[in-house]
Amino acid sequence: RKEVEQDPGPFNVPEGATVAFNCTYSNSASQSFFWYRQDCRKEPKLLMSVYSSGNEDGRFTAQLNRASQYISLLIRDSKLSDSATYLCVVSPSGSARQLTFGSGTQLTVLP
Amino acid sequence: DGGITQSPKYLFRKEGQNVTLSCEQNLNHDAMYWYRQDPGQGLRLIYYSQIVNDFQKGDIAEGYSVSREKKESFPLTVTSAQKNPTAFYLCASSMFASHEQYFGPGTRLTVT
Repeated sequence: RKEVEQDPGPFNVPEGATVAFNCTYSNSASQSFFWYRQDCRKEPKLLMSVYSSGNEDGRFTAQLNRASQYISLLIRDSKLSDSATYLCVVSPSGSARQLTFGSGTQLTVLP
Repeated sequence: DGGITQSPKYLFRKEGQNVTLSCEQNLNHDAMYWYRQDPGQGLRLIYYSQIVNDFQKGDIAEGYSVSREKKESFPLTVTSAQKNPTAFYLCASSMFASHEQYFGPGTRLTVT
């Protein structure tokens, strides 16, 4: 079983739609959780951290369910510029600050 | 502007040659990391360094070597022992107390 699993997609949605991505992780001791965005042939960029209470940043909402070891990302009112691959990222416990990356979910927002 | 730079953007080498990829940061970050990404796969950790003159192997260190002589620099050497070196190589850095990592633009290495 992969440490971080994501549905690879692709998700093709019309502009203005709401889309949700899910991610599961296997290490119950994981401490920190993130969503990164990666445009085609570019580096990943931090989109948002995911907190236990859930957090929102504009059109983006992230949720964490520690009991089910599940993370989600909701994008409302999708824009063409949201087209990218979204990486679910988990940090195991310990002081090494290592990150484990999911393979990513590809989103294409269509006009 | 603060950031992470990697050079070159594209690199082509013949099989059997060692090649060194550059990574420099001016963010005053303590920790630096090297990852490789293959098509359709997640990033995999090659090496990381939390302080100068110290570094640890990641999940796929075989065939790679690093040095950390300065806080701002963390070069990666891909040796001829790496069986499948063609990949997208990404360098990242973070503050010591943070899990948030910031990436450079990457180097695409092609070995033929």
